[in-house]
Amino acid sequence: QVQLVESGGALVRPGGSLRLSCEASGFTFSDYNMNWIRQVPGKGLEWVSYIISSSRHTSYADSVKGRFTISRDNAKNSLHLLMNSLTAEDTAIYYCARHKGGIASSIDFWGQGTLVTVSS
Amino acid sequence: SYVLTQAPSVSVAPGQTARITCGGNNIGSKSVHWYQQKPGQAPLLVVYDDTDRPLGIPERFSGSNSGNTATLTISRAEAGDEADYFCQIWDGSSDHQVFGPGTQVTVL
Repeated sequence: QVQLVESGGALVRPGGSLRLSCEASGFTFSDYNMNWIRQVPGKGLEWVSYIISSSRHTSYADSVKGRFTISRDNAKNSLHLLMNSLTAEDTAIYYCARHKGGIASSIDFWGQGTLVTVSS
Repeated sequence: SYVLTQAPSVSVAPGQTARITCGGNNIGSKSVHWYQQKPGQAPLLVVYDDTDRPLGIPERFSGSNSGNTATLTISRAEAGDEADYFCQIWDGSSDHQVFGPGTQVTVL
């Protein structure tokens, strides 16, 4: 069965950095486009970034562009998000999520999320 | 950037029909996907590509999309349908995924 397991969430100071990881299993990871999506507890979903299966194309929300970097290692079935210059507004649960097909397709599987808290 | 609008809340009596709308400029030209999220859980895809249901999603969940409004319809609502529902599209102009703000559905 498809599994996405995020890790790396932590309490970090403003201005700090953090690297999130997502371990994928139960499907051929290298065939799928992947996303990071975040959610402040009790609030709505905010898309953060996506990367296509080959890593040749990425896209970022305006709120994180220039600060966050998405990457993947298809040999290790893993997705990553490097987050720099963190602010309190980056505090959220971060979900790793898989596209069903192309970039315009639905997101058919989500991990359980990892909590990032930015606070002094 | 493309904006999706949703009513903050919808109430429905058990056994009745709930309609959750998602508004956007010419959204009928886009593929709309709908997610259900219950407290403490990750979102769950319930309708994709405007009208299709993933395996395991009851036929009570259906979708439509035309003009400036997409609609998720929950027929014969049950207590277990209480959740937040989010619509989502890919905006080709910005190459961004876009989520609606969400609608909280209460069955009472």
